[in-house]
Amino acid sequence: AQTVTQSQPEMSVQEAETVTLSCTYDTSESDYYLFWYKQPPSRQMILVIRQEAYKQQNATENRFSVNFQKAAKSFSLKISDSQLGDAAMYFCAYRSRLGETSGSRLTFGEGTQLTVNP
Amino acid sequence: NAGVMQNPRHLVRRRGQEARLRCSPMKGHSHVYWYRQLPEEGLKFMVYLQKENIIDESGMPKERFSAEFPKEGPSILRIQQVVRGDSAAYFCASSQQGASGNTIYFGEGSWLTVV
Repeated sequence: AQTVTQSQPEMSVQEAETVTLSCTYDTSESDYYLFWYKQPPSRQMILVIRQEAYKQQNATENRFSVNFQKAAKSFSLKISDSQLGDAAMYFCAYRSRLGETSGSRLTFGEGTQLTVNP
Repeated sequence: NAGVMQNPRHLVRRRGQEARLRCSPMKGHSHVYWYRQLPEEGLKFMVYLQKENIIDESGMPKERFSAEFPKEGPSILRIQQVVRGDSAAYFCASSQQGASGNTIYFGEGSWLTVV
């Protein structure tokens, strides 16, 4: 079974600064997807960024980018030019690409609560 | 283009009552997932359904919990004889396909409080 670990329960950053959230995972599979979801105070789950394991290039979405280290099973999220609206709980998630059943569920980490200080 | 719709957003039940949570997937999506988020925890997978089929229910508690996704109408997560430990946020999600990397989109969640 896959596991996802986020070792930072809380992080804080000054507005306009850069912050990196850590995520490691454990899997025996070679083909999978990794995601970062954001959960603001409204509690809605919002997809931030997605990475396919077979791609060597790190995914980027505007101010959000990832550092995907497949051999180390590490998938960190970097938020540049942090904004007050970035304050939220961030969840790292894994999804297998294989099979109709195991290829469907997301396995989440425990989350990192990000505070953005003005 | 409506997203994943869940209702009710908030539900209060007394111990022993039944809770019924509804989820309408995004238009064009035929795959539905239910996740539970206990206080201060991450989301945990419960069940994956397609129309009229339960594909994976390995995350569902063995008793009191059931889910369905009928040919017509929303998916329903039913919790019978609720207990205080069932108090949680229940998220529904949907996708176009179960595998192949299609993105899973989440609803806004249903908050169940058992008193």
